[in-house]
Amino acid sequence: DSGVTQTPKHLITATGQRVTLRCSPRSGDLSVYWYQQSLDQGLQFLIQYYNGEERAKGNILERFSAQQFPDLHSELNLSSLELGDSALYFCASSVAGSGGFTGELFFGEGSRLTVL
Amino acid sequence: ELKVEQNPLFLSMQEGKNYTIYCNYSTTSDRLYWYRQDPGKSLESLFVLLSNGAVKQEGRLMASLDTKARLSTLHITAAVHDLSATYFCAVDKVGSRLTFGEGTQLTVNP
Repeated sequence: DSGVTQTPKHLITATGQRVTLRCSPRSGDLSVYWYQQSLDQGLQFLIQYYNGEERAKGNILERFSAQQFPDLHSELNLSSLELGDSALYFCASSVAGSGGFTGELFFGEGSRLTVL
Repeated sequence: ELKVEQNPLFLSMQEGKNYTIYCNYSTTSDRLYWYRQDPGKSLESLFVLLSNGAVKQEGRLMASLDTKARLSTLHITAAVHDLSATYFCAVDKVGSRLTFGEGTQLTVNP
């Protein structure tokens, strides 16, 4: 158990819909990262938050957004869903948020999204 | 753009044999991670390598990092069935925003 909690574990929805994925980081970790794993794109970094503020963006679509709340949990919002958004979405956390080594990255169990 | 390449992508080996997985990356970095993933599961951290020449070992797995060659290796000694999984290397260029390799799917046969 990495200490990173993600809900829901599985989600099935239809094209055009909107879903929210939730992540609670490990106790003491200030940074939250979202990654997407799909068969065709592999594992890709989407976005990072540090202590409530957006720190970096990766390959995140404009239809997707995220935020980190004062209690440090984070939500990833996916809207206008398409078939190609079906993937495993991982949240990860680390202690720090910028510069060099920011602490080991620990991954949650993931949220598997299926868009029909 | 940082690119991370692993080879082989698929590896089938017999129990008791040794093998090495290679991870090459395209730009300078001195932080590299190795993860294990079982089907449908999370990413389990195996090794964090933070400097040139770093070598770490855990059980039958040993990882090393050569930042000058931009190469990391994951060596498997006397493989056992329980090691069957997909292994990813990931390069940390800035602040744990990892760029992952494609993964090496390892199958260890009795």
